[in-house]
Amino acid sequence: ILNVEQSPQSLHVQEGDSTNFTCSFPSSNFYALHWYRWETAKSPEALFVMTLNGDEKKKGRISATLNTKEGYSYLYIKGSQPEDSATYLCAFLSGGSYIPTFGRGTSLIVHP
Amino acid sequence: DTEVTQTPKHLVMGMTNKKSLKCEQHMGHRAMYWYKQKAKKPPELMFVYSYEKLSINESVPSRFSPECPNSSLLNLHLHALQPEDSALYLCASSQDGNQPQHFGDGTRLSIL
Repeated sequence: ILNVEQSPQSLHVQEGDSTNFTCSFPSSNFYALHWYRWETAKSPEALFVMTLNGDEKKKGRISATLNTKEGYSYLYIKGSQPEDSATYLCAFLSGGSYIPTFGRGTSLIVHP
Repeated sequence: DTEVTQTPKHLVMGMTNKKSLKCEQHMGHRAMYWYKQKAKKPPELMFVYSYEKLSINESVPSRFSPECPNSSLLNLHLHALQPEDSALYLCASSQDGNQPQHFGDGTRLSIL
């Protein structure tokens, strides 16, 4: 069983605040890490696919970094908006596998 | 609109009923997945089909029976379910592990 941990479990911030959260995964046999945003009553939506150590990806105000040697990825949101409120899931894939192991997610609530 | 279509969106059934959940994608993806998701927990992998063949069955009870009639369709046949099977059932597809999964909106299943 692969251990994929996300912290914090939940986060409340004010509109305009910048925030970040963490996904930890096994540092051996890394293949890929995916980040998803899951809004209430919608399906999970892919944000980033990260495959190389040192990867940095950006999509608007959201960015992510990857450290495969130490087994963590950070997701950053700059200037949070209420529409950023969602659960953010990371999924780890090992050794050429197409089978992801999901973390429990970080629930973000942005207050106006 | 999601590119993975799941029907029905909601299903209420008794423990003696037989019903099926359906999932469809037309993106040419070769891997399709069934997940079970309960509140405040990550999606839990049930089955994976790769090139229309069942490649992963995560020790799911036989009251759940998957079927992949062709590369675009995935069914989950339900029979004699238990109240603890009430959950959100998500279908997803992907081309490979370097590509993110595309999720449907899910079927909210309630067992009476």
